[in-house]
Amino acid sequence: EVQLVESGGGLVKPGGSLRVSCEASGFTFNNAWMSWVRQAPGKGLEWVGRIKSKTDGGAADYAAPVKGRFTISRDDSKNTLYLQMTGLKAEDTAVYYCTTVYHSSCLYYWGQGTLVTVSS
Amino acid sequence: EIVLTQSPATLSLSPGERATLSCRASQSVSNYLAWYQQKPGQAPRLLIYDASNRATGIPARFSGSGSGTDFTLTISSLEPEDFAVYYCQLRSNWLFTFGPGTRVDIK
Repeated sequence: EVQLVESGGGLVKPGGSLRVSCEASGFTFNNAWMSWVRQAPGKGLEWVGRIKSKTDGGAADYAAPVKGRFTISRDDSKNTLYLQMTGLKAEDTAVYYCTTVYHSSCLYYWGQGTLVTVSS
Repeated sequence: EIVLTQSPATLSLSPGERATLSCRASQSVSNYLAWYQQKPGQAPRLLIYDASNRATGIPARFSGSGSGTDFTLTISSLEPEDFAVYYCQLRSNWLFTFGPGTRVDIK
């Protein structure tokens, strides 16, 4: 059974940094492309970014609102995906979901999400 | 940047009725178009990928169609568990974009 378990969310002040993690199991993580999606309270889904498998080059791409502030990385030895967030703003407040990328074009398995709140 | 528009914003229907949800892209796109269902307090679930392919375990009452700029998700006969929010999503130039969603609620 595929499981994606996010952790590391919490309250952070504007301008601060936070790293959230996603521990994966039930599939071959090192072959998987992975993505982060967020959802502000009461709002729709917003794609954050995606990282390819190391076999496919390991490159990451980001949505415009987070480019230059957020970094996606992976540790295949730990089956773990990371999202490092810096320069956080109030508008980054959201539930952050970890997902698997399927057929390079859509998001198949989803974690339960971790809430990040940016507030003074 | 391609923008996705979904209509209607809210669809009020009764169980057993047919639901037709629209997703329109601001320019012609490939068929890398997916549909998701999200219920309150839950993560989204993939329904359709590549415009018309049902994901594993998705009931046959869900179907996707379309090409170019206009895509449609059809639920042939609404079951009580289908009342939810539905999002379309596109991959273009390796970036992903979501539509704003359509809420299907009980009339």
